[in-house]
Formats: sequence, C-alpha cells, structure tokens
Amino acid sequence: ELKVEQNPLFLSMQEGKNYTIYCNYSTTSDRLYWYRQDPGKSLESLFVLLSNGAVKQEGRLMASLDTKARLSTLHITAAVHDLSATYFCAVDMKIQGAQKLVFGQGTRLTINP
Amino acid sequence: NAGVTQTPKFRILKIGQSMTLQCTQDMNHNYMYWYRQDPGMGLKLIYYSVGAGITDKGEVPNGYNVSRSTTEDFPLRLELAAPSQTSVYFCASRESAGNTIYFGEGSWLTVV
Repeated sequence: ELKVEQNPLFLSMQEGKNYTIYCNYSTTSDRLYWYRQDPGKSLESLFVLLSNGAVKQEGRLMASLDTKARLSTLHITAAVHDLSATYFCAVDMKIQGAQKLVFGQGTRLTINP
Repeated sequence: NAGVTQTPKFRILKIGQSMTLQCTQDMNHNYMYWYRQDPGMGLKLIYYSVGAGITDKGEVPNGYNVSRSTTEDFPLRLELAAPSQTSVYFCASRESAGNTIYFGEGSWLTVV
C-alpha cells in the first residue's frame, strides 16, 4: 500500500528559528511536490523535485529529495510569521498505468513572534 | 487562460439531495482529478480521468460518480448526499507527462 507520511503534523515555532519538515513515502517515485495551503484557500505550489539529490530554494524555504531513502525535507530558515500555513508533500507515481498524486497528511506550521 | 475553474464555491445540501460539482479547464490537459479534503487532513483522490471517455476510481470513490464527455469538463456527481461527504473538493488537471499540476479554487460542501 502506498503511504506518504509527514512529520511533524503540528509545529509551533518562534520567529527566527530553523526547522525541518520530513516527508517519507513507501514506494519508488522520482517526482515530489511541496504545497502550501492557507486557511480557506487552495493549494499553492512551492517546489517540484524531479530527481534524486534535487535541491530547490525559494526565500526562507529549501526542499530536497533523496529517492533512495524515499525522503524529502522542507527546511525553514529564520522563520517569519508570514510562513504560518499548512504544508503538504505529495508524491507523483504511476499506478495502474496512470499518473496520480498522493498527499501526505500535512504539517500545520504556526510561527509565533 | 482561466486555468481550472470549479463551481459552485460554496453549497449546503440536505441529506439525500443530489448535486453536481463542475470542473472545467481550458489548457487541453488529458489528466483531470477530483480530490476531497476533510478538515485537518490531506487530499484524497476520489476519481480521475486520463482523457475524454476514460475515468477510473481513486482511493475514496464511494458515493460519487464522474463523467468525461469532453477534454475540458470533468463533473463530479453526488447522488445521495450524506454528512460524511461534508468536505472541500478540489479539481486538478495536468498534461500527461507534465510536471505542473493545476488546482482549482475548491468547492466547500456541507451536508446537513
């Protein structure tokens, strides 16, 4: 059974601190997505990681992918309040001949002043 | 480009009523998906389509039906609404081998 697991599920941080969200998945895939979701909104694409060792950075967020370990990380550097949101990883895989996106449970991030 | 358009944005249904959530994309994408998101949870796949006339079940298809008569449209039908179908529904589309997945704005459905 395909599983995508994020941890932690809830994270409360202070501004200025660093932290990492982990995304483990149970089967082979070479494509992984990170999304941000604000309350009452749709998903905002943050990163698409396409190969083993891929690293992408945008502002205070950096994502990486290790396909051998089936692990992706989203690292937050010097957190600011505006980064408070729920973050999802999603693994893209071919199941029964069709590409499908399987989501993790999400990590609800709260950044306090 | 309008992208992926969902209607309605909000709807309250009574138990046993039926309704259709509409999804349209103007990017000529082959793949279209319907997901549901329960409060505090990730998205779960309801149904998907790889092209006009071709649909298949996802992880949580019970209580729903879909059709794909055109490339652009992928409506989701709820036949007998139940409280367990209270959720936010997202439609998405992509090219067959595309890296970018486009999501609609979501449809908030409450069944009372």
